[in-house]
Amino acid sequence: AQTVTQSQPEMSVQEAETVTLSCTYDTSESDYYLFWYKQPPSRQMILVIRQEAYKQQNATENRFSVNFQKAAKSFSLKISDSQLGDAAMYFCAYRSADFGNEKLTFGTGTRLTIIP
Amino acid sequence: GAGVSQSPSNKVTEKGKDVELRCDPISGHTALYWYRQRLGQGLEFLIYFQGNSAPDKSGLPSDRFSAERTGESVSTLTIQRTQQEDSAVYLCASSLVVSGWSSYNEQFFGPGTRLTVL
Repeated sequence: AQTVTQSQPEMSVQEAETVTLSCTYDTSESDYYLFWYKQPPSRQMILVIRQEAYKQQNATENRFSVNFQKAAKSFSLKISDSQLGDAAMYFCAYRSADFGNEKLTFGTGTRLTIIP
Repeated sequence: GAGVSQSPSNKVTEKGKDVELRCDPISGHTALYWYRQRLGQGLEFLIYFQGNSAPDKSGLPSDRFSAERTGESVSTLTIQRTQQEDSAVYLCASSLVVSGWSSYNEQFFGPGTRLTVL
């Protein structure tokens, strides 16, 4: 079974600064997807960024980028130019690439606070 | 278009009562998922429906939990004889999965139902 570990229950960053959230995972599969989701107090899960394991290039979405280290099974999220609206819980998630095995496995989350 | 909707938004019940939680997926989405989020925790997979295939029930924690889905539309998660440990937010998600091909299919989440068992 796959597991996802987020070792930072809480993080804080000054507005406009950069912060990195850590995630490690364990799997015996070679092909899979990794995701970062944001959950504000509204409870709505919002996809921030995704990474296909077969791609060596790290994914980027505007101010969000990842550092994907497949051999180390590490998938960190970097948020640049932090904004007040970035304050939320952030969850790392894993999904197999096998058809019919679409369920997501989540970490326990990191609460990100933005300091004005 | 409309996103995933869930009802009720909040539900308070007494221990031992049955509850039904409803999920309306995005129109046309073939796959539907239920997850549970306990306080301060990540999401735990409960059950997955994909088209006419048998659902993946591997995440259901006990036989008190069951779910139904009518075609590719509404789903209902039922918890019988609720216990205090069932208190959590129950989240539903849907995605468009093309049969026989597993590519990236984004799961779109609803706002969840917060269940409190007294």
